[in-house]
Amino acid sequence: SQQGEEDPQALSIQEGENATMNCSYKTSINNLQWYRQNSGRGLVHLILIRSNEREKHSGRLRVTLDTSKKSSSLLITASRAADTASYFCATDLYGSSNTGKLIFGQGTTLQVKP
Amino acid sequence: DVKVTQSSRYLVKRTGEKVFLECVQDMDHENMFWYRQDPGLGLRLIYFSYDVKMKEKGDIPEGYSVSREKKERFSLILESASTNQTSMYLCASRSGQAGRQETQYFGPGTRLLVL
Repeated sequence: SQQGEEDPQALSIQEGENATMNCSYKTSINNLQWYRQNSGRGLVHLILIRSNEREKHSGRLRVTLDTSKKSSSLLITASRAADTASYFCATDLYGSSNTGKLIFGQGTTLQVKP
Repeated sequence: DVKVTQSSRYLVKRTGEKVFLECVQDMDHENMFWYRQDPGLGLRLIYFSYDVKMKEKGDIPEGYSVSREKKERFSLILESASTNQTSMYLCASRSGQAGRQETQYFGPGTRLLVL
């Protein structure tokens, strides 16, 4: 089964509202990363949180990590129509750093209505 | 600005054809990856390479092979394309050096249709 599972699969909100996406994983990690994908395009890295960190901010993004629950959340505050995209979490598994492999979740599709 | 390029955005091939997908990065990265992305299945790793001429199978290598003759270039080969290989193919690269950025940089993707 997937290392990273995301919830919800799809989310639709109004512009200005906050959007929260969750990611759960199964095994120990070095770090957890969030990526964004606009329709039909490649993925773009948003933010990385290490296993010894609990919260991280970048602009309107806030990421939390709970290693005891093996879960992470991505919060986008004051959403804009331009935030409409798919969002993926990816885990860098403990012991795999040399290879650079990431395990991606299935993604959350976010629609922000103007 | 970092850049990963893929040879084609869209590709249409016939069943049984040999298909080459090329990926080039200009960041001197050691690690390169090929994924395929299908609705409801997320990104699945096909092959990756951690150095020139070095390669390892990912989660779904069947029906694919790869080539890494130069550090900047990683090719995905479909020896005999089949309709179930219709998909979006994404290439990515990442530094393999300790202490360097751990994020992956993605190309724009190649949407392959096999008829």
